[in-house]
Amino acid sequence: DAKTTQPNSMESNEEEPVHLPCNHSTISGTDYIHWYRQLPSQGPEYVIHGLTSNVNNRMASLAIAEDRKSSTLILHRATLRDAAVYYCILRAYRPGTASKLTFGTGTRLQVTL
Amino acid sequence: GAGVSQTPSNKVTEKGKYVELRCDPISGHTALYWYRQSLGQGPEFLIYFQGTGAADDSGLPNDRFFAVRPEGSVSTLKIQRTERGDSAVYLCASSLLGQVNTGELFFGEGSRLTVL
Repeated sequence: DAKTTQPNSMESNEEEPVHLPCNHSTISGTDYIHWYRQLPSQGPEYVIHGLTSNVNNRMASLAIAEDRKSSTLILHRATLRDAAVYYCILRAYRPGTASKLTFGTGTRLQVTL
Repeated sequence: GAGVSQTPSNKVTEKGKYVELRCDPISGHTALYWYRQSLGQGPEFLIYFQGTGAADDSGLPNDRFFAVRPEGSVSTLKIQRTERGDSAVYLCASSLLGQVNTGELFFGEGSRLTVL
C-alpha cells in the first residue's frame, strides 16, 4: 500500500480553522484519499474522501493538490469536540470488491479555548 | 441498534486461555473488517470478509488467531493460547461492498482485551 506522511501533532484554538496536511508522493492513479478521525476511547469515524477534485461535506473540506501527491483536511471552525487523532489513508479502488484501510499513526489534534 | 456492536467491551483473561470476541455489523453490510489497536498506535489490519469468506487475512499475526463469519453477518474473532502481547483493543468495522461513492467503514467501539 502507498504510504502517507502526517505530522505527529498539531494545536489549534477553538473557533479557528485548522489545516491538517498529508503527503502521499507514491499515490497511484486508482488510490482514493480517505480521512478518518478517532476520538478518545472510540473507534475511528469517517470524515471525508476524494480522488482528484476538492470535496466538501458537513464535517470538513478536502483540498487535493493538482499532482495528487499531497492533500489537506480543513476543519473550518475547530471545536473542543474535534480534538482527535486524524488519519490520512490511501485506499485502492477495486470495482465490485471491498478493500482494506491501512492506518498510520495519524496527527493528534489538540484544540484549546 | 443502528451501529456496529462489539461484545464484550472488556475482557480480562490469563495467559494461555482461549478468547472469543464478537462483532455484529450494520444490517445489510456485506464487508466486515477486524483491526487491533495498541496504545499510541493506529489500528492494525487483521482480516476482512466479503460475505462469508475471508477476502484478505494477511494481517492475522499467527495461527493462534482465527476469524469466522458463517452466515455472512455476525463475526467472531478467536484467539487461542493468549499471550500478554495480544493485549489491545480489537476493533470491528463494516461497510457496503464496493461502495466507492461513500467508501465509508463504520467502526464499533472495540473490545479491550487484557492478558495477564
